[in-house]
Amino acid sequence: DAKTTQPNSMESNEEEPVHLPCNHSTISGTDYIHWYRQLPSQGPEYVIHGLTSNVNNRMASLAIAEDRKSSTLILHRATLRDAAVYYCILRDGPQSGGYQKVTFGTGTKLQVIP
Amino acid sequence: KAGVTQTPRYLIKTRGQQVTLSCSPISGHRSVSWYQQTPGQGLQFLFEYFSETQRNKGNFPGRFSGRQFSNSRSEMNVSTLELGDSALYLCASSSGGPSSYEQYFGPGTRLTVT
Repeated sequence: DAKTTQPNSMESNEEEPVHLPCNHSTISGTDYIHWYRQLPSQGPEYVIHGLTSNVNNRMASLAIAEDRKSSTLILHRATLRDAAVYYCILRDGPQSGGYQKVTFGTGTKLQVIP
Repeated sequence: KAGVTQTPRYLIKTRGQQVTLSCSPISGHRSVSWYQQTPGQGLQFLFEYFSETQRNKGNFPGRFSGRQFSNSRSEMNVSTLELGDSALYLCASSSGGPSSYEQYFGPGTRLTVT
């Protein structure tokens, strides 16, 4: 199974950029990289996803290494509402028998300091 | 548009009993996935249903089963409950397209097994 590794926790000052890293050295060629975040007492929320190229949306940017063995979620200006656990997720491509596994990383707990 | 709803929100069961959890996806979504979240194991994928068929499956014992109805609503059943089944069970829905899709999570059902 493709696994991901993330730091357990990170801190950021409010209004500053945050770079959340994720290592996925065993990623396969058809794996998509997804990021979700989970606020306290809520279900996870989609943030962004990508395959090979860097991606931007209204919430964040995703920078993917050229060898795809790592990626970085970038929050351009952290706010207090961004304090959450951020999960880096790989979704396998189709395998024999249609069996797919979704592997969640350990998650990074982001603390935003006012 | 209404979000993903899960019922019940909280449940207490005794070891050996069985339990059924329900998930109503966002209108128009055809894919429903189930996850188990525990402090020790984090977020683990259980299975995914698409158009009433189980499309993906995680590494859980056969005591965990599910089904999806023609209106895309899904149920998850756990038989012969064990103490270790105590967890937050999350349901997520999506349109069901290729791997690069966004999932919308419900608030979860908190199951406590005593």
